[in-house]
Amino acid sequence: GESVGLHLPTLSVQEGDNSIINCAYSNSASDYFIWYKQESGKGPQFIIDIRSNMDKRQGQRVTVLLNKTVKHLSLQIAATQPGDSAVYFCAEIPTYSGGSNYKLTFGKGTLLTVNP
Amino acid sequence: ETGVTQTPRHLVMGMTNKKSLKCEQHLGHNAMYWYKQSAKKPLELMFVYNFKEQTENNSVPSRFSPECPNSSHLFLHLHTLQPEDSALYLCASSHSGGQNQPQHFGDGTRLSIL
Repeated sequence: GESVGLHLPTLSVQEGDNSIINCAYSNSASDYFIWYKQESGKGPQFIIDIRSNMDKRQGQRVTVLLNKTVKHLSLQIAATQPGDSAVYFCAEIPTYSGGSNYKLTFGKGTLLTVNP
Repeated sequence: ETGVTQTPRHLVMGMTNKKSLKCEQHLGHNAMYWYKQSAKKPLELMFVYNFKEQTENNSVPSRFSPECPNSSHLFLHLHTLQPEDSALYLCASSHSGGQNQPQHFGDGTRLSIL
């Protein structure tokens, strides 16, 4: 079946380093991708999104890269801070005929730990 | 700061109890969702409402009963739950009617079934 998965379940980095979190998806019909951050005891927080007609999008200290050829998505965090420690999820919305906003498919998540 | 508020934050109940989870969004959205988050599993979509109408029931057991009285409020009524129903229940909302809209989540209700 279709799925969204993550290459690395955990990632540990030093404060100030750049972090890269990867995500593989298997549905080539996916049209829209979102990265969420979930801190302990909180719900997922929207970070950044990207549409399939783009290959890169930048936010504040974050960049999302989309490679549709290999169905790969990555989240880059610049100058990682202790406050970035959390679980990061990628999610996708496939393009069905007629369009449907709610069919978000989530990966299991990657735990990012930032060491001071 | 969250535009989606869930209450209670924590709930412990026996298998024969009846309780309700509440969600309220202040974002002007028209679509609302219930998700279940269990340890080491991806988020599982349970129900979707668009403009107060249920548009998705993802094969959820009848012991979970959703209610959406208006576009800003969503409830999940619980009765005769099982221990495997212990999980974090997340509510989300989004603009509806088109694609490519992010869903915004509340902080969830941590449910424990004794």
